[in-house]
Amino acid sequence: QVTLKESGPGMLQPSKTLSLTCSFSGFSLSTSGMVVSWIRQPSGKSLEWLAAIDWDGDKYYNPSLKSRLTVSKDTSNTQVFLKITSVDIADTATYYCALGVRDWGQGVMVTVSS
Amino acid sequence: DVVLTQTPPTLSATIGQSVSISCRSSQSLLDSDGDTYLNWLLQRPGQSPQLLIYSVSNLESGVPNRFSGSGSETDFTLKISGVEAEDLGVYYCMQATHAPLTFGSGTKLEIK
Repeated sequence: QVTLKESGPGMLQPSKTLSLTCSFSGFSLSTSGMVVSWIRQPSGKSLEWLAAIDWDGDKYYNPSLKSRLTVSKDTSNTQVFLKITSVDIADTATYYCALGVRDWGQGVMVTVSS
Repeated sequence: DVVLTQTPPTLSATIGQSVSISCRSSQSLLDSDGDTYLNWLLQRPGQSPQLLIYSVSNLESGVPNRFSGSGSETDFTLKISGVEAEDLGVYYCMQATHAPLTFGSGTKLEIK
């Protein structure tokens, strides 16, 4: 059974760096074809794809945010990370990680506020 | 980026009624490999999105067959044949043909 769970700071101040972790089980990110994405959703709004990393370590970013994003994975292939630099109030959202489009985590709420 | 326009933005249905949601793309979603990567997701209140339909018309495992998808190129439709109470929530189309992946603005289904 595939499970994913996001974790993060909950709240942080503008201009800081947001660090998120996606911990997963039920699959190996080293298996060919596996891709884990980060997607966010401001309250009451639609979804925005942010970044992804695949089984080969290749990384993909949304061009609109690329300069602020870094996606990575751990060497044991059980966690994926996302860093967003210089956060702003507009980065307040629920952040999801997902395996492909089929399996989603429960999401973690992040509030950017001074 | 590919823009996906969903209509209607809200939908009110009685139990047993059949409804349809439209998703129109600003570009053809037919990939060079011959597949069309247009998916439908449902986000129930307070929950994460869940995949209903992938590649236009393929029903995800465990999803009731009252859900069906159709369409091609730039015009796509999700149909629910006989709405049930558990179907309430927000429906999103999303495309994975062109980078970056993009989502529609959502259609909220309410039960009368």
